[in-house]
Amino acid sequence: DTAVSQTPKYLVTQMGNDKSIKCEQNLGHDTMYWYKQDSKKFLKIMFSYNNKELIINETVPNRFSPKSPDKAHLNLHINSLELGDSAVYFCASGLGLRNTEAFFGQGTRLTVV
Amino acid sequence: SQQGEEDPQALSIQEGENATMNCSYKTSINNLQWYRQNSGRGLVHLILIRSNEREKHSGRLRVTLDTSKKSSSLLITASRAADTASYFCAFRRDYGQNFVFGPGTRLSVLP
Repeated sequence: DTAVSQTPKYLVTQMGNDKSIKCEQNLGHDTMYWYKQDSKKFLKIMFSYNNKELIINETVPNRFSPKSPDKAHLNLHINSLELGDSAVYFCASGLGLRNTEAFFGQGTRLTVV
Repeated sequence: SQQGEEDPQALSIQEGENATMNCSYKTSINNLQWYRQNSGRGLVHLILIRSNEREKHSGRLRVTLDTSKKSSSLLITASRAADTASYFCAFRRDYGQNFVFGPGTRLSVLP
């Protein structure tokens, strides 16, 4: 019954590797987001997709590539991982682009060693 | 850079007391929302207040919005140990704009 689910929950990997985080929502939402939460708990938007189309791409290195195969999924692929990529990544979904709340997944804690 | 600020950064109170957290922002907004994050978990939406509203209630939560001061406050009345969490304000400027989150207030409610 999980509304927004991310996998994996924890990811430990070495510098230079490529990894993916998957996100799925079963709420029927048409908008999905990726957020990065750093060690100081700051939350920063990375990407926003509406109906599988990229709406927002904040200043994120192009090593990060989101992929939305359908409205219910928004995966995040990261190439050539760096130490500074260590953070908790949250997927979220919402309905439309206006006055709606966002539903968050449980987060993926990525540790690059 | 962060476009929202919250204070206090941390707040510690006894069960039964009220907790007040404040959020300030710099741009005009469409709406402002408050979220709660328990340790190691995702964010949970608490309440949304639109730019033309001044106050909103939900259970033990009361949110106010002062657009002239570009600030909002979240009041939790009769706090419980289960309210221990980080609380974030988030706002959206216009249609299609992303949510901007404040840095959060870490609330500890002691039994």
